[in-house]
Amino acid sequence: DVKVTQSSRYLVKRTGEKVFLECVQDMDHENMFWYRQDPGLGLRLIYFSYDVKMKEKGDIPEGYSVSREKKERFSLILESASTNQTSMYLCASSLTGRNQPQHFGDGTRLSIL
Amino acid sequence: RKEVEQDPGPFNVPEGATVAFNCTYSNSASQSFFWYRQDCRKEPKLLMSVYSSGNEDGRFTAQLNRASQYISLLIRDSKLSDSATYLCVVTPGGFKTIFGAGTRLFVKA
Repeated sequence: DVKVTQSSRYLVKRTGEKVFLECVQDMDHENMFWYRQDPGLGLRLIYFSYDVKMKEKGDIPEGYSVSREKKERFSLILESASTNQTSMYLCASSLTGRNQPQHFGDGTRLSIL
Repeated sequence: RKEVEQDPGPFNVPEGATVAFNCTYSNSASQSFFWYRQDCRKEPKLLMSVYSSGNEDGRFTAQLNRASQYISLLIRDSKLSDSATYLCVVTPGGFKTIFGAGTRLFVKA
């Protein structure tokens, strides 16, 4: 079974802090993704990466950055946290190719006070 | 028009009922299709892929209609444990993946 592990289930931070969310997958997947999920808005893609040191902006990259120094690890960084970044953050990974589904981590529920 | 549209529901059905969800997509070049299930405050989990010829997994049947650009999920003999939100997922091509907003299902005893 694919295992995608996110570093924290719940996190509380203050406005203006720099926040790091970590994600590790153990299946040698090329692709990794960061989403946020908010009530009524569904899943929205923040950033994705298709290889080490490669990254692409998703639909809502503003206020976020990412890092992929190793194939198994994909980090999401909130440069200066704001209250509108309070959300559920989901990391996913997949193989490249057709009919390759994404596999999700448990999610991090982040609250910015 | 949204790229992927689902009826948000909720669908309220008794145990043992058969229930069907549809999902429409706008990009005719879409290549891959999936159904995920998401329990309250949990992550989405892959339920099944959807293939052109249709496919079945136990009580669940998925179908793809490329001409009309929709996919469907049929659940037979509903169980209480089927209560969840069902997400339709479409991959138009490349790395882009579009998630529907989900259809909520409540199965009642």
